[in-house]
Amino acid sequence: EAGVAQSPRYKIIEKRQSVAFWCNPISGHATLYWYQQILGQGPKLLIQFQNNGVVDDSQLPKDRFSAERLKGVDSTLKIQPAKLEDSAVYLCASSLNEQYFGPGTRLTVT
Amino acid sequence: GNSVTQMEGPVTLSEEAFLTINCTYTATGYPSLFWYVQYPGEGLQLLLKATKADDKGSNKGFEATYRKETTSFHLEKGSVQVSDSAVYFCALSANSGYSTLTFGKGTMLLVSP
Repeated sequence: EAGVAQSPRYKIIEKRQSVAFWCNPISGHATLYWYQQILGQGPKLLIQFQNNGVVDDSQLPKDRFSAERLKGVDSTLKIQPAKLEDSAVYLCASSLNEQYFGPGTRLTVT
Repeated sequence: GNSVTQMEGPVTLSEEAFLTINCTYTATGYPSLFWYVQYPGEGLQLLLKATKADDKGSNKGFEATYRKETTSFHLEKGSVQVSDSAVYFCALSANSGYSTLTFGKGTMLLVSP
């Protein structure tokens, strides 16, 4: 069974630029999550989708972050404009019951 | 709100030593508890879980017991290997099912030969 796929694996941008991350969940998993993991901390939920609907986006900084899951499968997370403090690993996870995580995208904002 | 507190690392052990990584939690109701492991350059992998009080989760020689009276879920292994070197995260989900995870900060384990 293929795991959760994410791309790119690494991204370096300058502050005020925009960036997008892509996630392809495990086939058949209705629930998809995006987490932000800052160095030295545990992952923090940004947004949770159930199929193509948002279940929880209470911790998503909506002035600069957006996410979509248009067909209830793949998802994209966008940051515009990026700030230095957005440097982190962005993890995507999907679940039927327990969560399976992708390898993450490491973002560096300079 | 929900929170998870783990002992700070790094924890440095010699091969075959006994491992304990402490984890305590704060939550309302009856959360499910998890340990995830993150090997260098890889994503998080579920190591073990427990969904109700007094349950013991176990996998790959690791085990943890859900202690409601002390709100703890300490990770233990009797004899660590070099290949166990990784970052370990304790986490909870707010109800007996599977939902959003709240993670601790992680504890790095370094095992030397």
